[in-house]
Amino acid sequence: GENVEQHPSTLSVQEGDSAVIKCTYSDSASNYFPWYKQELGKRPQLIIDIRSNVGEKKDQRIAVTLNKTAKHFSLHITETQPEDSAVYFCAASIIQAGTALIFGKGTTLSVSS
Amino acid sequence: EAQVTQNPRYLITVTGKKLTVTCSQNMNHEYMSWYRQDPGLGLRQIYYSMNVEVTDKGDVPEGYKVSRKEKRNFPLILESPSPNQTSLYFCASSFGLDEQFFGPGTRLTVL
Repeated sequence: GENVEQHPSTLSVQEGDSAVIKCTYSDSASNYFPWYKQELGKRPQLIIDIRSNVGEKKDQRIAVTLNKTAKHFSLHITETQPEDSAVYFCAASIIQAGTALIFGKGTTLSVSS
Repeated sequence: EAQVTQNPRYLITVTGKKLTVTCSQNMNHEYMSWYRQDPGLGLRQIYYSMNVEVTDKGDVPEGYKVSRKEKRNFPLILESPSPNQTSLYFCASSFGLDEQFFGPGTRLTVL
């Protein structure tokens, strides 16, 4: 089955710096890659997702890139702000097959001002 | 308001005492699932359901049961809870298999 590895497990940056979180997946058939943000004590919420027919997607300060050949995808946050501090999870699935969404173990991002 | 609700939000119980955590969504989503979240292990899927009367095992189904008799409800049943089921549980729903909307979570402690 699918396995998703996420790195780093913790990341500390200064406000205004960029942050990059990387994930690798094992199943080459996976075609949907979402990123969820979970603030302390809250539920996970989708912040951006990408499908395998797209190499990059941007939404304001966040972007996701996908390299299908290498089977990895990354979350990029530019101009980080203290409110970006949270746990970020990547995930992978095969949408058409109805397979489970497999999550990485999460990255705790701390943005200090 | 579109939402996923879970009850109870907090529960402390003892080993072996059957319990049910309810999950309900008002968005007419076909797909519903249950996850458990443990420190350092991320979110692991327990069971999911593609539609009424259709359920399937996720990554960690042992010790859990689910049912999907109505589209809006997807209860999680622990027939004989054990301490290793102490965890934070999330229910989620979606139209298809893309963006999942999570409930507020249920923190379960099994003594």
